[in-house]
Amino acid sequence: GQQVMQIPQYQHVQEGEDFTTYCNSSTTLSNIQWYKQRPGGHPVFLIQLVKSGEVKKQKRLTFQFGEAKKNSSLHITATQTTDVGTYFCAGFYNAGNMLTFGGGTRLMVKP
Amino acid sequence: NAGVTQTPKFRVLKTGQSMTLLCAQDMNHEYMYWYRQDPGMGLRLIHYSVGEGTTAKGEVPDGYNVSRLKKQNFLLGLESAAPSQTSVYFCASSRHGGPPPYEQYFGPGTRLTVT
Repeated sequence: GQQVMQIPQYQHVQEGEDFTTYCNSSTTLSNIQWYKQRPGGHPVFLIQLVKSGEVKKQKRLTFQFGEAKKNSSLHITATQTTDVGTYFCAGFYNAGNMLTFGGGTRLMVKP
Repeated sequence: NAGVTQTPKFRVLKTGQSMTLLCAQDMNHEYMYWYRQDPGMGLRLIHYSVGEGTTAKGEVPDGYNVSRLKKQNFLLGLESAAPSQTSVYFCASSRHGGPPPYEQYFGPGTRLTVT
C-alpha cells in the first residue's frame, strides 16, 4: 500500500539551533499536510501544500513540497522550547479519501 | 464550539471485554475518522466515514467496528478487547467541499489499556 516515510524519528537540538524533518512517498501525492502534536496532546493542523515546488512560511517554520510531489520538508529556524513536540506529515493520494500519516519526528529542545 | 470531543478519556479493560468509544463534533463536518497511535508508529487509520450512514475500512480495521448513525457522532466499538489494542485512540473530523485546505480536527484522545 501507499506509505509515507518520515525521518528522523527523533531529534535533540540546543535552543537556537535549526531543525528539519523530511517526508518521502514512493508514489505521487495529491497534497501534503503537516501537523504538530505537543506532548500529551492531540495533533493540530499546521499547513497544507498542494502545488509542485510550493514553499510556504509561518514565522520561523518553512514548508516545502518537492517538484515531483513525492517529498516534503519542514524546517524550523532558531528553535525555541515552545517548538517541542512531534511533527507529522500526512499525504493525500488521488486514489483515496484518507490521509496517510508519516511516523512523525519527535523534536526535543534543550534550553 | 467544543470542536471534537471524545468519551471516555481513559479506560482499562480486561481481555475479552467490549466497549464503545464515542466521538462527537459540532462543526457540521461530513468526514470523520478513527485513528490509533502507538509509540514510534504515528497515526494509523482504523475506520472512517464520508457521511451519515456510511463507513469504510482504513489501514488497521481488524477487531473494530464503527457506526455513524448521526452526522455529528462516530462510534468505535471493540467487541472482544485484546492486549494488542492497548493504544491511544484519536477521533478526527474534516469538512468536504469548498476551498481547501481540508484539515483534520482531532479530539483529545482516549487512552485505552487492555490487560
